[in-house]
Amino acid sequence: QQPVQSPQAVILREGEDAVINCSSSKALYSVHWYRQKHGEAPVFLMILLKGGEQKGHEKISASFNEKKQQSSLYLTASQLSYSGTYFCGTHTNAGKSTFGDGTTLTVKP
Amino acid sequence: DGGITQSPKYLFRKEGQNVTLSCEQNLNHDAMYWYRQDPGQGLRLIYYSQIVNDFQKGDIAEGYSVSREKKESFPLTVTSAQKNPTAFYLCASSIALLGDGYTFGSGTRLTVV
Repeated sequence: QQPVQSPQAVILREGEDAVINCSSSKALYSVHWYRQKHGEAPVFLMILLKGGEQKGHEKISASFNEKKQQSSLYLTASQLSYSGTYFCGTHTNAGKSTFGDGTTLTVKP
Repeated sequence: DGGITQSPKYLFRKEGQNVTLSCEQNLNHDAMYWYRQDPGQGLRLIYYSQIVNDFQKGDIAEGYSVSREKKESFPLTVTSAQKNPTAFYLCASSIALLGDGYTFGSGTRLTVV
């Protein structure tokens, strides 16, 4: 069963912040996040392992709440280059990864 | 530079034909995956392989077949049994099945004509 992402779409102005959520009904081993530009391959952003850790990459960070089986991706002071579709992928202990349907982020000048 | 190479970039298939999509990686990754992406949708897992000579069905394996004879290569065959094969196909790899992010190839866009 695939994770549920919310919101489906976000429109921002440059410099604004956004949060993208990812929820699963299964016990998770890890959550990973990707960004995909139109017509291109997804690019790996970060992975969070169970243990409730939080990670950051420049102005993009993420958290993983193991008890709630939820992860959130935080985009701070968004730039035009942040536009794209963001996917979360979830791993159970069995190893198989399932992706959400994606959140489309549009950053306008 | 290390990475994943998918070929061809565009592929046209006549109904009733089998076609094979190539995926080669030089990252020395053990695990490899095939995903299908339809317009406006997420990635759905077709097959995955943890090691050479072993692979497992994903969520939508019907009408597809794979082989993993070499660590570097994981070709996907779309058979005539796949009734709606038009989609964007992505190959990915990771160091191991768990605990690692994926590196994706640039994809193959398959169209049935």
